Amino acid sequence: DSGVTQTPKHLITATGQRVTLRCSPRSGDLSVYWYQQSLDQGLQFLIQYYNGEERAKGNILERFSAQQFPDLHSELNLSSLELGDSALYFCASSVETLSNTQYFGPGTRLTVL
Amino acid sequence: LAKTTQPISMDSYEGQEVNITCSHNNIATNDYITWYQQFPSQGPRFIIQGYKTKVTNEVASLFIPADRKSSTLSLPRVSLSDTAVYYCLVGVSGGYQKVTFGTGTKLQVIP
Repeated sequence: DSGVTQTPKHLITATGQRVTLRCSPRSGDLSVYWYQQSLDQGLQFLIQYYNGEERAKGNILERFSAQQFPDLHSELNLSSLELGDSALYFCASSVETLSNTQYFGPGTRLTVL
Repeated sequence: LAKTTQPISMDSYEGQEVNITCSHNNIATNDYITWYQQFPSQGPRFIIQGYKTKVTNEVASLFIPADRKSSTLSLPRVSLSDTAVYYCLVGVSGGYQKVTFGTGTKLQVIP
C-alpha cells in the first residue's frame, strides 16, 4: 500500500459524458501527478500540481482539467468523453525533494462506451 | 529531462540474475536515476534510486558507471512474480518536473 488513494476504482460511462476522478496523496506529500495509461501502452504524464499550483503539464487534452485543493487532494475532470479516453488513470504523489520518487495509487479504470 | 532508452522486452528463467540496462546519454549533473516496477493493472512501484556508483537494497541493485550515461538494474535470482514492466527514469524533482516514463522493459520470467 503506497498510501495514495484513488476513487472510484472503476468507472463506466458513455461518450459525451463528464467524469471526475479523485486522488488523495500520501500524508505530507505536496505534489500530485496524473497519468494516463491506455491498454498495453506506457504511462503518459498529464499534469502535476504542487501545493495547489499547477507546476508541469504534459500531453493533457483541452477536454481534461485538474486541480489540487487546500487539503492537497486532487481531482481530474474529463469531459466530452470519447471512446479513446478509456484507460487506467493513475495518480502519484511525492515529497518534492531532489529525487524522482513518486508513490502511485491503485488507479481508476475508466471505460467509455 | 534526459531521454532514456531501454530494451523493449527480455526473457529469463527462474533463479537467474537479470540485468536491465538503460541508456541516458544526456543526463544532467543534478539528475538522479530511478527504477520502477509495474504489474498489469497496477500503479508503478518504486524499486531503487541512485546517483552514482552502486546502490543495493533488499530488492535490487543499481550499477551506475562513472560517466553516468547508462545504468543497470540487477534483479538477483528472479522468480515468476518478477514478471513485470520495468521503467527507468532520469531527472530531478524540484517543483518543475515533467516526467517521461517511456515504454519500459517487459520482463518475462519463464519457469
